[in-house]
Amino acid sequence: DIQMTQSPPSLSASLGDKVTITCQASQNINKYIAWYQQKPGKAPRLLIRYTSTLESGTPSRFSGSGSGRDYSFSISNVESEDIASYYCLQYVNLPRTFGGGTKLELK
Amino acid sequence: QVQLQQSGAELVKPGSSVKISCKASGYTFTSYDMHWIKQQPGNGLEWIGWIYPGNGNTKYNQKFNGKATLTADKSSSTAYMQLSSLTSEDSAVYFCARSQLYPDYWGQGVMVTVSS
Repeated sequence: DIQMTQSPPSLSASLGDKVTITCQASQNINKYIAWYQQKPGKAPRLLIRYTSTLESGTPSRFSGSGSGRDYSFSISNVESEDIASYYCLQYVNLPRTFGGGTKLELK
Repeated sequence: QVQLQQSGAELVKPGSSVKISCKASGYTFTSYDMHWIKQQPGNGLEWIGWIYPGNGNTKYNQKFNGKATLTADKSSSTAYMQLSSLTSEDSAVYFCARSQLYPDYWGQGVMVTVSS
């Protein structure tokens, strides 16, 4: 199984900050990574697929990059509605595996 | 619009089984995989497996072999997951999610609580 090591587990930011989350795969995942946002009591929402392709409706302040084993997800100009947990998912192999998640909180 | 409507919360006894449902609408049910994902309280996401309703083919995370059984009813556009021999470790929220290669649309989740 491909392990997805996501960091940091938690992040504290002020409104307007830029924050970055990373995921490192245990092997090359050829850019097949997606990023999800989850708010308490809700289902995850797909934000980005194939490393950097924003889903319809995803604000442009969200972005993704990376290649090989190393990937990052950023939010520029954090807004209050961005307070949530974020997860990466590799979808190059079965079983699909998620990162451990990052909880974004307001400073 | 794509919607996945899951069944209601379940309170079940240890050692029993439970079957939860996921009714799809707004797309061709037989053309997309349906993934199932587990989330224990306060924890991350764990992929259980998928079913392709078009032909009933399934793939499971080896960890859930023997625990989860995925089925689909094309006539009602509903996917099902049965969980067997339940223990406290199975207490979690279970999501269904339509998938192309990755889950895109998700159900609201079903809370399964295993308790005597």
